[in-house]
Amino acid sequence: GAVVSQHPSWVICKSGTSVKIECRSLDFQATTMFWYRQFPKQSLMLMATSNEGSKATYEQGVEKDKFLINHASLTLSTLTVTSAHPEDSSFYICSASPLGTGDHYEQYFGPGTRLTVT
Amino acid sequence: LAKTTQPISMDSYEGQEVNITCSHNNIATNDYITWYQQFPSQGPRFIIQGYKTKVTNEVASLFIPADRKSSTLSLPRVSLSDTAVYYCLVGDVNRDDKIIFGKGTRLHILP
Repeated sequence: GAVVSQHPSWVICKSGTSVKIECRSLDFQATTMFWYRQFPKQSLMLMATSNEGSKATYEQGVEKDKFLINHASLTLSTLTVTSAHPEDSSFYICSASPLGTGDHYEQYFGPGTRLTVT
Repeated sequence: LAKTTQPISMDSYEGQEVNITCSHNNIATNDYITWYQQFPSQGPRFIIQGYKTKVTNEVASLFIPADRKSSTLSLPRVSLSDTAVYYCLVGDVNRDDKIIFGKGTRLHILP
């Protein structure tokens, strides 16, 4: 089946630094990838829709200057958390669906990245 | 996007059949019903999807009545490893639109 990877799987950083998280579709291409954030015991919260070759679309309440998204190719999207603060500590998950499948709801999710800001 | 309502949590025992019902009264004609499973500290995994009547795969069955205002995910003979959160999503699979997750159902399987 389609595989989505994320790197790193976990990261600890100091407050004020920036962290980049990569999301790759390993065996398929995707024009659209999604970024979610999940706090403990809560559901996934959609942060933004990443579109290859164009600007990301951010959900209401998500600061686009803080969470920079780049979708440079059909297999790679990156999320950079800039000037991270402890409240940004969370589980970040990306998803994508293969081009041409015609089923937008059959998304393949990455394993997630656990970010801890100290 | 059709709003969905699921039980917040459920407990069951190993070997039992578990049925999780999702209400979606405002489902639209073009909407499909999709279920995901999420284990702790992992990304969600697609389980099953259907439009009407019954769909079955190697993992689960999905029952959808004629009015499509609800659906039931059925997990046969559950094991401890089925302990997870199960999400019901409703939407038009052909629309390139965002997917919003509800609160899901936290299923706890007991020995």
